[in-house]
Amino acid sequence: ETGVTQSPTHLIKTRGQQVTLRCSSQSGHNTVSWYQQALGQGPQFIFQYYREEENGRGNFPPRFSGLQFPNYSSELNVNALELDDSALYLCASSPPERSTGNEQFFGPGTRLTVL
Amino acid sequence: SQELEQSPQSLIVQEGKNLTINCTSSKTLYGLYWYKQKYGEGLIFLMMLQKGGEEKSHEKITAKLDEKKQQSSLHITASQPSHAGIYLCGTTGGSYIPTFGRGTSLIVHP
Repeated sequence: ETGVTQSPTHLIKTRGQQVTLRCSSQSGHNTVSWYQQALGQGPQFIFQYYREEENGRGNFPPRFSGLQFPNYSSELNVNALELDDSALYLCASSPPERSTGNEQFFGPGTRLTVL
Repeated sequence: SQELEQSPQSLIVQEGKNLTINCTSSKTLYGLYWYKQKYGEGLIFLMMLQKGGEEKSHEKITAKLDEKKQQSSLHITASQPSHAGIYLCGTTGGSYIPTFGRGTSLIVHP
């Protein structure tokens, strides 16, 4: 059974640019959540996708957007990058039961640096 | 919004020592999760607690949720270098928005 994978592992961008991060969920999982983790902080919930629809969103501006595909993989897009967007971006997938109340399986993360 | 406060922020112990990490919620907990994170990596699920007074153990790690469901503790017995990492508590609260504490950094000296 393949776990949650994320790509790329590291990324360096400059202010104002756009970035797309990718996540492949664990086999059989239909829910994907994205988190932003700044250095020394806990993960902050960005949003969740369930069956290709956004199913909950944290306190992040609209320039953070996402997609979920029919195979349940997901993308996180961030437009107009700011310095404060530098963080570890984590993707987590959950099995088909009620997603946010259950165990989440996390990927290794993508480290984004904005210069 | 619900907030989780963890204490201590960091902990350095000698191998073989016991330790406890606390997680206090600003509101009633409807499910409390403990995760472990190695520096710069993803989170690994440890345990989930739902009922007041519930206690679960996995190997040398025990987690408890107090009766009033506003505090949880994670206890490690006879710590080993493999226990080193960041321990995070998390919850979904009544709104189903996942919330995490800031984490407790644990270093275990051999």
